[in-house]
Amino acid sequence: EPEVTQTPSHQVTQMGQEVILRCVPISNHLYFYWYRQILGQKVEFLVSFYNNEISEKSEIFDDQFSVERPDGSNFTLKIRSTKLEDSAMYFCASSELRAGQYFGPGTRLTVT
Amino acid sequence: EDQVTQSPEALRLQEGESSSLNCSYTVSGLRGLFWYRQDPGKGPEFLFTLYSAGEEKEKERLKATLTKKESFLHITAPKPEDSATYLCAVASGGSYIPTFGRGTSLIVHP
Repeated sequence: EPEVTQTPSHQVTQMGQEVILRCVPISNHLYFYWYRQILGQKVEFLVSFYNNEISEKSEIFDDQFSVERPDGSNFTLKIRSTKLEDSAMYFCASSELRAGQYFGPGTRLTVT
Repeated sequence: EDQVTQSPEALRLQEGESSSLNCSYTVSGLRGLFWYRQDPGKGPEFLFTLYSAGEEKEKERLKATLTKKESFLHITAPKPEDSATYLCAVASGGSYIPTFGRGTSLIVHP
């Protein structure tokens, strides 16, 4: 069964450093998303991406965040200057239509 | 105020003891209500999408139902492997982006 994959599974970085989280969505899906989940809290939407552009974004997705689909398979989330409060699980998701999103296993980001 | 409220926060069942999880929502213009299962340290696993009141979906021991104000996830004769956190999410208005609830942590004892 097709699945969303994410790398790395765990990323440790120092405050102020840039990180890039990578995702390979399900191949025939058209919509791509990033979410985050701080330990013990709700899953929070960051951004959605369709047709090579951002379609929606939340208040969390400020200027320090960016997304890119550099080729036909990868979808990346870049955090330019990480803060302690960016520590969380980051999930990539994809969907064929605008519903029923399939999530990847997540990248645990630890900012020290 | 939360748009999506799940109850109970935690539920312990004996194997075979059927029960229901509740998801109440206070949005207008529902575009979809979603149920996910999340195991510790893993990503949410998609279970169901419901679009309109009266709709029902089933998968193995799980059955999801929807009214105009809430959704139930019924678990029939649960097994220990059904232990997980079950998340409800709703998309409404002009957006298809789901807002998640805090989840119900289910533990099924053998």
